[in-house]
Amino acid sequence: DAKTTQPPSMDCAEGRAANLPCNHSTISGNEYVYWYRQIHSQGPQYIIHGLKNNETNEMASLIITEDRKSSTLILPHATLRDTAVYYCIVSSDNQGGKLIFGQGTELSVKP
Amino acid sequence: ETGVTQTPRHLVMGMTNKKSLKCEQHLGHNAMYWYKQSAKKPLELMFVYNFKEQTENNSVPSRFSPECPNSSHLFLHLHTLQPEDSALYLCASSLVGGTTEAFFGQGTRLTVV
Repeated sequence: DAKTTQPPSMDCAEGRAANLPCNHSTISGNEYVYWYRQIHSQGPQYIIHGLKNNETNEMASLIITEDRKSSTLILPHATLRDTAVYYCIVSSDNQGGKLIFGQGTELSVKP
Repeated sequence: ETGVTQTPRHLVMGMTNKKSLKCEQHLGHNAMYWYKQSAKKPLELMFVYNFKEQTENNSVPSRFSPECPNSSHLFLHLHTLQPEDSALYLCASSLVGGTTEAFFGQGTRLTVV
């Protein structure tokens, strides 16, 4: 079973920030938080990952709470192309591809 | 384009047919994976290969037979499938060691009739 809990769906207005929450209250000290997204009928795409510090790249920012029991993925200026299912995954495995996917959050970006 | 290529993109096969799915990556990765995504269900990890050796089989029925001839190629051989095996089959690759991301192919949409 997935070790994370995410809301099943969210809406966001185009151009606004999308904040996607994830709870991982049973996360272990050596587990990282990964975010992937899957646009309809395509393969998942890696977005970002982190251990305890906040991370930012060209796609998004990842904010992890100090107790590491939850995190938020931020898409700073959502576009229609960001409409997708977003998956939050925790993993300590030293292989990036061994992932346990949950149901994710279906983000709809609306004009 | 992720660097992971899957063929064919779509496949329709009868229950008595034998077919193969192909996955290819030229990213220099040494681990490859097969995932299955059925309608309305999360992605499920099926097989893991590290350095061409199978290291994980998540209770997958024997009608699915993987093959990894080298670190760049991965096959999934299919025979006597059932209609409930209809799904999107995704291949992924990554490096072994360290926290790295996985790269997924676009998938093969399989329909068993």
